[in-house]
Amino acid sequence: DAKTTQPNSMESNEEEPVHLPCNHSTISGTDYIHWYRQLPSQGPEYVIHGLTSNVNNRMASLAIAEDRKSSTLILHRATLRDAAVYYCILRPDSGAGSYQLTFGKGTKLSVIP
Amino acid sequence: NAGVMQNPRHLVRRRGQEARLRCSPMKGHSHVYWYRQLPEEGLKFMVYLQKENIIDESGMPKERFSAEFPKEGPSILRIQQVVRGDSAAYFCASSLQEGPQWEQYFGPGTRLTVT
Repeated sequence: DAKTTQPNSMESNEEEPVHLPCNHSTISGTDYIHWYRQLPSQGPEYVIHGLTSNVNNRMASLAIAEDRKSSTLILHRATLRDAAVYYCILRPDSGAGSYQLTFGKGTKLSVIP
Repeated sequence: NAGVMQNPRHLVRRRGQEARLRCSPMKGHSHVYWYRQLPEEGLKFMVYLQKENIIDESGMPKERFSAEFPKEGPSILRIQQVVRGDSAAYFCASSLQEGPQWEQYFGPGTRLTVT
């Protein structure tokens, strides 16, 4: 299965944009890129996903590199509530990985008031 | 719409007792997944169920753990003869369909403490 690499931690000032990177150089053509986050003492929360094109939803934007070897989750204005661990997860279109979410260590985002 | 519900939120069991964790998926969702998060570790997949069927239990310990998702009622994760190493947060998730196009929605978790 393709692996993802994320920075261990990042900091952002409140109300500033945040760009959370993820490298996935061994991604295959049919792997979906998913992002989840986990706030302290809570269950994971779905953020966004995409395949090839950039995606926007009410929570965030996902920018996918043209060669798909990396992606960036963009929070347009960080709030204190966005402090969480963010996970970038690849999901193939078949096999166990298509339904099993494999959580790595993620990026711990701290938001400074 | 109610989200994924789990109960109890906190459960304390003595070694050797049984633990029953319940999960009600989101309305209309028939795909349920259980994950476990040990202290200071990441979440690990345990089991994937559809109504009345276990699809993949490759992440479940071979002994003492079982899961079901009956035709009526919540999904149940059962741990028999609990040991201290079972202390963890157990999360349930559900999805509308199987496959990478479909996001999984997680419940708040059940925090099991074995004394």
